[in-house]
Amino acid sequence: DAGITQSPRYKITETGRQVTLMCHQTWSHSYMFWYRQDLGHGLRLIYYSAAADITDKGEVPDGYVVSRSKTENFPLTLESATRSQTSVYFCASSDGSLNTEAFFGQGTRLTVV
Amino acid sequence: SQQGEEDPQALSIQEGENATMNCSYKTSINNLQWYRQNSGRGLVHLILIRSNEREKHSGRLRVTLDTSKKSSSLLITASRAADTASYFCATDAGFQKLVFGTGTRLLVSP
Repeated sequence: DAGITQSPRYKITETGRQVTLMCHQTWSHSYMFWYRQDLGHGLRLIYYSAAADITDKGEVPDGYVVSRSKTENFPLTLESATRSQTSVYFCASSDGSLNTEAFFGQGTRLTVV
Repeated sequence: SQQGEEDPQALSIQEGENATMNCSYKTSINNLQWYRQNSGRGLVHLILIRSNEREKHSGRLRVTLDTSKKSSSLLITASRAADTASYFCATDAGFQKLVFGTGTRLLVSP
């Protein structure tokens, strides 16, 4: 199916474990993003990527790692999960042209216990 | 924090009434965008207004932008129950990175 998909939709993990959230888009968009959404904070940018093998930090990158070996995939890894990383995570993509919208996935609700 | 503020945080109206949400931001921008989020879902793009535009319309939506005051407003006319959602403004200051406001929760009652 065309679009942007995230997996899993829901995940419960224990403190200290490594967990990877997956994001896949079918449009060949150059830009991809990871945001987290917390009550009272709206969405905050974790990492973004302008193209394959090009990534950069956003507003709240600590504790997260990303990679982008293929244009269509942009996984987000929590190397050692903490309770403060309990959140809803959204992946998004855009085509990189000026004044264009972003397309969001359905989100992954992550709970760290 | 770079985030903008939205006002009000919550808004409750009756079907047929108009809903107005306001957004303030902190930096120079290329454009400002509004997104809708239904409960438990992803964000859906509604409308984009460029920094050199002052007003834009799309169906029942009207957006204004005042770059001198670093503020924007979203007006939804003739609201419907299906408009019940959270609405977020987002500014693009460069490199496609969006900075989101804290959102307005809109409840439209039949």
